[in-house]
Amino acid sequence: GAVVSQHPSWVICKSGTSVKIECRSLDFQATTMFWYRQFPKQSLMLMATSNEGSKATYEQGVEKDKFLINHASLTLSTLTVTSAHPEDSSFYICSASGQGATSPLHFGNGTRLTVT
Amino acid sequence: GQNIDQPTEMTATEGAIVQINCTYQTSGFNGLFWYQQHAGEAPTFLSYNVLDGLEEKGRFSSFLSRSKGYSYLLLKELQMKDSASYLCAVSDSNYQLIWGAGTKLIIKP
Repeated sequence: GAVVSQHPSWVICKSGTSVKIECRSLDFQATTMFWYRQFPKQSLMLMATSNEGSKATYEQGVEKDKFLINHASLTLSTLTVTSAHPEDSSFYICSASGQGATSPLHFGNGTRLTVT
Repeated sequence: GQNIDQPTEMTATEGAIVQINCTYQTSGFNGLFWYQQHAGEAPTFLSYNVLDGLEEKGRFSSFLSRSKGYSYLLLKELQMKDSASYLCAVSDSNYQLIWGAGTKLIIKP
């Protein structure tokens, strides 16, 4: 089955620094990847849709200059949290689907970000 | 607006059967997905329904009624490892996924 790899699994950084999270589709090409954020005991919140070779589409309320997304190839998308603050501490999850609009999303294992 | 409703929390006993319901109101419909999410982990795909009826996959089954905007996930022979949140998600007319808030299932011995 489709596998999505996300790295790192967890990261602790100081306030004001930037953190990059990578999301790779291992056995399929993903023209579109999705970035989610999940706070404790809350549901998934879609942050942005990452499109290969073009600009990402951000959901309302998500700052595109703070959460930089780069989808440079069909197998890699990156999310960079710039100038991180404690309120950015969350569980960030990427996902991608295989061929076909009705293919299920496959998720990376997530990245737990803690900003001190 | 678009809306997915599912119970916040359910409790069941090990070895028993539990049914988790999901009702939806979306602009168009291109299928309904169920995902399992253990605490601190990413969701994993369980099932996909696009036609009415029951899809069985081992201990888990998923049912869909498009006319009623209703689905359920049925878990049989419950095991302690089934304790998790179960997320219902609908693909709308633009193939965008609309997510429910999830149902936390607690299994007791």
